[in-house]
Amino acid sequence: AQSVTQLDSHVSVSEGTPVLLRCNYSSSYSPSLFWYVQHPNKGLQLLLKYTSAATLVKGINGFEAEFKKSETSFHLTKPSAHMSDAAEYFCVVSDQRSSASKIIFGSGTRLSIRP
Amino acid sequence: SQTIHQWPATLVQPVGSPLSLECTVEGTSNPNLYWYRQAAGRGLQLLFYSVGIGQISSEVPQNLSASRPQDRQFILSSKKLLLSDSGFYLCAWTSGTGGFGGYTFGSGTRLTVV
Repeated sequence: AQSVTQLDSHVSVSEGTPVLLRCNYSSSYSPSLFWYVQHPNKGLQLLLKYTSAATLVKGINGFEAEFKKSETSFHLTKPSAHMSDAAEYFCVVSDQRSSASKIIFGSGTRLSIRP
Repeated sequence: SQTIHQWPATLVQPVGSPLSLECTVEGTSNPNLYWYRQAAGRGLQLLFYSVGIGQISSEVPQNLSASRPQDRQFILSSKKLLLSDSGFYLCAWTSGTGGFGGYTFGSGTRLTVV
């Protein structure tokens, strides 16, 4: 069985400071892992994905995430926060073995940026 | 390129009325299609998924149903809406080869049942 846990429901940082959004996963098989961002009343946009290639994954808008198998983590980071980064972020796990490719969403982390 | 269309963007319906939300995908064939719901302040819940025409799998027993009359069309329906059906509904697709490419989501439908 798969599961994903986002450790913080809300993170607040000052503009220009680093961002860290934490995600831990559980999967019986080699997982695919994703981060999605959702701005208010908008759909979901893929930020980045890990599919068993390089463990450090670079995404859009300066975000990156590192897959750490020993820690079963896939934390999302950004060196310097921008006001436009304020949104809801979802960590997602998918079982690569499943042809139906069902994915499991974390509960989300709301990122606020202080001026 | 592949695109996904979902409509309407917003909908206000009275309790007990029917519902039909439509999602279509362009630029690909035989996609896996999904309906998710996001209730206020909560994460996304998988409602239905389909790996082919007429093939529907339900993840959560509820007041809703789904149909896939054509390869790239996925419809979410209800005969009688409940207040608890309010939420943000998202359609998504991925290729049949698995989750390698990630999921592409529609822009969503905000449903308010009054």
